[in-house]
Amino acid sequence: AQKITQTQPGMFVQEKEAVTLDCTYDTSDPSYGLFWYKQPSSGEMIFLIYQGSYDQQNATEGRYSLNFQKARKSANLVISASQLGDSAMYFCAMVTGANSKLTFGKGITLSVRP
Amino acid sequence: GAVVSQHPSRVICKSGTSVKIECRSLDFQATTMFWYRQFPKQSLMLMATSNEGSKATYEQGVEKDKFLINHASLTLSTLTVTSAHPEDSSFYICSARVDENQPQHFGDGTRLSIL
Repeated sequence: AQKITQTQPGMFVQEKEAVTLDCTYDTSDPSYGLFWYKQPSSGEMIFLIYQGSYDQQNATEGRYSLNFQKARKSANLVISASQLGDSAMYFCAMVTGANSKLTFGKGITLSVRP
Repeated sequence: GAVVSQHPSRVICKSGTSVKIECRSLDFQATTMFWYRQFPKQSLMLMATSNEGSKATYEQGVEKDKFLINHASLTLSTLTVTSAHPEDSSFYICSARVDENQPQHFGDGTRLSIL
């Protein structure tokens, strides 16, 4: 079975600062993919970044980067230069080679302060 | 690219009404579409996986006769909540993907309120 764990309580960050959102995962499948999605209060789910288990380098997409530590089974999202529009719920999710369904974590609420 | 359109965004209706929600991939062909339900401040709960031209695969505990899913083409899947009751009130969101190696792209969701 696969599992995603997001245990941080609500996170707060000052505008223009960087913030790290934690995500740990568990799977016995050597082939898997990790995703981060952002859900603003309006409800839509916005795909942010993807990391494959065999990718040699950490994924980056603009202000988003994924700190992938395979041995620790962690895939933390780093948001640099936070903006007020980054305030949202953030979900970490995983698919495996054996199970193509997305498994979501509980989510983390991020609030950016001006 | 990879835009998914979901309609309607908001439904308010009386108990006993059937409600149809559409999910369309606008600029790509989606071999697989997914339907999720989300309660306030909780994570997404997968209801069913829909493959074009075949019957949907429902998750355990989801009533297939209650939540009818049709995936008639590579760009359209529909979820019909039959004889909806207040306990069916929730946020329903669909997603679509090209294949297993691509991320799921989500629609904007539908807020369903049954009075």
